[in-house]
Amino acid sequence: GQNIDQPTEMTATEGAIVQINCTYQTSGFNGLFWYQQHAGEAPTFLSYNVLDGLEEKGRFSSFLSRSKGYSYLLLKELQMKDSASYLCAVRDSNYQLIWGAGTKLIIKP
Amino acid sequence: IAGITQAPTSQILAAGRRMTLRCTQDMRHNAMYWYRQDLGLGLRLIHYSNTAGTTGKGEVPDGYSVSRANTDDFPLTLASAVPSQTSVYFCASSSTGGSTDTQYFGPGTRLTVL
Repeated sequence: GQNIDQPTEMTATEGAIVQINCTYQTSGFNGLFWYQQHAGEAPTFLSYNVLDGLEEKGRFSSFLSRSKGYSYLLLKELQMKDSASYLCAVRDSNYQLIWGAGTKLIIKP
Repeated sequence: IAGITQAPTSQILAAGRRMTLRCTQDMRHNAMYWYRQDLGLGLRLIHYSNTAGTTGKGEVPDGYSVSRANTDDFPLTLASAVPSQTSVYFCASSSTGGSTDTQYFGPGTRLTVL
């Protein structure tokens, strides 16, 4: 079966750095996506990785290791508005997105 | 530019009733998708359409049907609603449905079936 694993919940302090991990086992791999979803809202696109390595976009970075079936999202200089769920999704061999259950990130002052 | 709109925002429905969730996009995207999101589970694909006139089944298609008569609209119909269809439904679209394609989501419809 196909499986995406992420921690259910994480807590971090405003101004700090947090790393959210995602491991996957899918039938084929055609890219990995990270989305942010605030409570009661739609998911919004954060990043896309298809090759191994780090992609940096402002305060957010995403890393991929295809051989390990592993990715992480790194958030720096945390702000209260970063409190949200972070969804990891992998595009499989049928070009469909397989989604993790999401990691709820709680930011404390 | 509205992006993707969904209607209604929320709905309470009696079991056995028929219901159509509407989705419209103005980005001229070829591909459109319907997902449901339940607590503790990832988004699950119900149906998709790679281009107007074609549709396909996702992971959880039973009890749902879709049509894609034109590029902009992708309605989702529950023929006879059951309580297990209580969920938040998201419509999404993407340019081509290809490997590098990013999906953009509508605001969602919160459906309760009693």
